[in-house]
Amino acid sequence: DIQLTQSPSFLSASVGDRVTITCRASQGISSYLAWYQQKPGKAPKLLIYAASTLQSGVPSRFSGSGSGTEFTLTISSLQPEDFATYYCQQLNSYPRTFGQGTKVDIK
Amino acid sequence: EVQLVESGGGLVESGGSLRLSCAASGFTFSSHTMNWVRQAPGKGLEWVSSISSSISYMYYADSVKGRFTISRDNAKNSLFLQMNSLRAEDTAVYFCARGTVGFDPWGQGTLVTVSS
Repeated sequence: DIQLTQSPSFLSASVGDRVTITCRASQGISSYLAWYQQKPGKAPKLLIYAASTLQSGVPSRFSGSGSGTEFTLTISSLQPEDFATYYCQQLNSYPRTFGQGTKVDIK
Repeated sequence: EVQLVESGGGLVESGGSLRLSCAASGFTFSSHTMNWVRQAPGKGLEWVSSISSSISYMYYADSVKGRFTISRDNAKNSLFLQMNSLRAEDTAVYFCARGTVGFDPWGQGTLVTVSS
């Protein structure tokens, strides 16, 4: 099974900050990686798929990059509505594993 | 509007069974792979199972293999998860979701609580 490790697990940031979250895969997954945002009590929301393709309707301050085993999600200027937990997921093979999550909190 | 609505969750004793349903609307259900994902209280996301559009392929997490069965009725735009031999560690919110390169959309989730 492919393991995904996100770093950091928790980060504290201010509105306007540039935020970067990393997701490392235990083996190569090409560009078969997605990023999700989840707020408390809500279903996850797809932000990015195929490592760098922005899902329709998602603000352009979100971007994704990487291929193979190392991937990043960047929020260029953190907004109040971006405080949430973020997950990566590999869709290269089954089981479709998720990272453990990164909680972005207000500094 | 593309929408997924889960139902069927509830409280069940350890060893019992439940059948979850997911009703799809607003898209051509029969053309898409469908998935179940769960989230235990205060924990992260765990992929549970996937079924291909034509019902040719079904995949399961090791944690549920042999106990859970995924199925779908393309004529009724519905996805199902039959859960048998339930354990306390199956307690979670269960989400259905569409897709293969990214899961979108997701339903609102249905809570399954297994009492020991």
